[in-house]
Amino acid sequence: DTAVSQTPKYLVTQMGNDKSIKCEQNLGHDTMYWYKQDSKKFLKIMFSYNNKELIINETVPNRFSPKSPDKAHLNLHINSLELGDSAVYFCASSQEGQLVYGYTFGSGTRLTVV
Amino acid sequence: DAKTTQPPSMDCAEGRAANLPCNHSTISGNEYVYWYRQIHSQGPQYIIHGLKNNETNEMASLIITEDRKSSTLILPHATLRDTAVYYCIVNSGGGADGLTFGKGTHLIIQP
Repeated sequence: DTAVSQTPKYLVTQMGNDKSIKCEQNLGHDTMYWYKQDSKKFLKIMFSYNNKELIINETVPNRFSPKSPDKAHLNLHINSLELGDSAVYFCASSQEGQLVYGYTFGSGTRLTVV
Repeated sequence: DAKTTQPPSMDCAEGRAANLPCNHSTISGNEYVYWYRQIHSQGPQYIIHGLKNNETNEMASLIITEDRKSSTLILPHATLRDTAVYYCIVNSGGGADGLTFGKGTHLIIQP
């Protein structure tokens, strides 16, 4: 079983649309994250959720909103998509206090806005 | 999180040991050194981490200097599949902090 799974793997959409990316982890971790990797390959954290509470909210536009229906899921909703939102989005999870396992990342969702 | 400095790229011959350096001169006493790698288009993969002592696992070894201001990741017998971007990250380990990725080192294993 995949530890952290994201869907879809690829997403092509038009400017102005609203889209969602789903993430699920089966590791029993208590914290989940969304990272964005732009065309220059920089990986930047966007959000993290711990026990359904938003812990980090970096300076991302409010068009981006994380939604966590339960501890195992953290979905990313994006409204009014813009060309600059094109990037690869990675979901990740971790368990506070269990450093030996590090952070586990999903395989990414490549979002292309046209 | 403390900042890290890594060379942008390195080459290594297949079968040889790859030694990837990292400087983290402003590391705090409670911060760990983590290494991750990202193989083309995949999600980052955890390799190893350490606080003060040298560490070894099935993937690599981590050598941390006594003053903790630098470290070296060692891949003992590099293969072509080890070609990736390697990130050195310092982090206090609190799960909610997330990780701050720099530019990393693009390691290219030559046949």
